[in-house]
Amino acid sequence: DAKTTQPPSMDCAEGRAANLPCNHSTISGNEYVYWYRQIHSQGPQYIIHGLKNNETNEMASLIITEDRKSSTLILPHATLRDTAVYYCIVKANAGGTSYGKLTFGQGTILTVHP
Amino acid sequence: DTEVTQTPKHLVMGMTNKKSLKCEQHMGHRAMYWYKQKAKKPPELMFVYSYEKLSINESVPSRFSPECPNSSLLNLHLHALQPEDSALYLCASSYEQGRPQPQHFGDGTRLSIL
Repeated sequence: DAKTTQPPSMDCAEGRAANLPCNHSTISGNEYVYWYRQIHSQGPQYIIHGLKNNETNEMASLIITEDRKSSTLILPHATLRDTAVYYCIVKANAGGTSYGKLTFGQGTILTVHP
Repeated sequence: DTEVTQTPKHLVMGMTNKKSLKCEQHMGHRAMYWYKQKAKKPPELMFVYSYEKLSINESVPSRFSPECPNSSLLNLHLHALQPEDSALYLCASSYEQGRPQPQHFGDGTRLSIL
């Protein structure tokens, strides 16, 4: 699976949009981009995923560049409860011996301030 | 609230004890996963079960023995663990191993080895 690069930490003011970048320059054609977050003492929570089109759900939006080498997770109106570690993961869903595996990187610690 | 239930939430055991961790889901998922997470580190995959058969073993020591008795249940049997095995053990499930549908995680069992 392709590796991802994320900033180690980011800050955001409550009520503002949080834009979390992820670089995945070695992504291949069958690999999806997934975002999870982990709030302290809880299991990872799925946020959103996409292949090449932009995606939006009730939690966030995912913007994938046209060349698919990077993406941005957008939390439109951050709250204090969005403080968490955010993981960007690239995962192949078919082919090879490791398909379906989630390989977590170090993630971005997002701190939302009042 | 998570749809993947893990019990117990906390477990303290000695190095000579035998214990089991339990994971249950009722979403009709046919792929189930065990991850290990050390403090301040990202989760690391241990095992994958697909349709109740072991699909991936990430070279995990034999003192960890997984079992999938049916499509809703996943166990992790522990024997002769070492202090370095103290960690958060996370269970996850997904529709199928090779499909884009995301993995859903439980909140984990926090294991301490004395």
